[in-house]
Amino acid sequence: GDSVTQMEGPVTLSEEAFLTINCTYTATGYPSLFWYVQYPGEGLQLLLKATKADDKGSNKGFEATYRKETTSFHLEKGSVQVSDSAVYFCALSDPGNQFYFGTGTSLTVIP
Amino acid sequence: DTGVSQDPRHKITKRGQNVTFRCDPISEHNRLYWYRQTLGQGPEFLTYFQNEAQLEKSRLLSDRFSAERPKGSFSTLEIQRTEQGDSAMYLCASSADYFAADIQYFGAGTRLSVL
Repeated sequence: GDSVTQMEGPVTLSEEAFLTINCTYTATGYPSLFWYVQYPGEGLQLLLKATKADDKGSNKGFEATYRKETTSFHLEKGSVQVSDSAVYFCALSDPGNQFYFGTGTSLTVIP
Repeated sequence: DTGVSQDPRHKITKRGQNVTFRCDPISEHNRLYWYRQTLGQGPEFLTYFQNEAQLEKSRLLSDRFSAERPKGSFSTLEIQRTEQGDSAMYLCASSADYFAADIQYFGAGTRLSVL
């Protein structure tokens, strides 16, 4: 079945460091791919998405590119801030509108 | 606040009791989803509705779990004869199939503790 595997955390970075959180997926069809973020004490919210191969999703300085050849959707940010501290979830939706989430990666950014 | 609302936020129950959770989606959203999230894991899809129709329920965890959305607005998730393994966060999300159907908006969740 479809699934998402993402890099385990926790990840701790200094402010202004470069961030990469790896995500790979397994899908039988052509899924849409997402990154969701959960800030402390809040619900999940969409960070970015990509719906087809080679699409790049971007938001708030974060980017991820849908790579069909490597079945990956890695999240990157060039310079993280303390306010980026959160749990990040990679997810896919299949053509039947079912969603599959990764286990989440906790990020802590220290000043 | 016009976001997804879940009630209650916390529920403590004894093993064997039935519990029911409510979700009120964003008012113009016709799709509604239920998930379970256990500690250290991502949300696990349970079921979803389009309007009042339950389009997918094969991933409900057992026959003790059931969900309804009788008028296509709010939804309830019921767990019968709760077990300690049911302790988790239960999340609801909604989306609109006429616009960006794959973008879900999540509620804050209901945390269930089964003693």
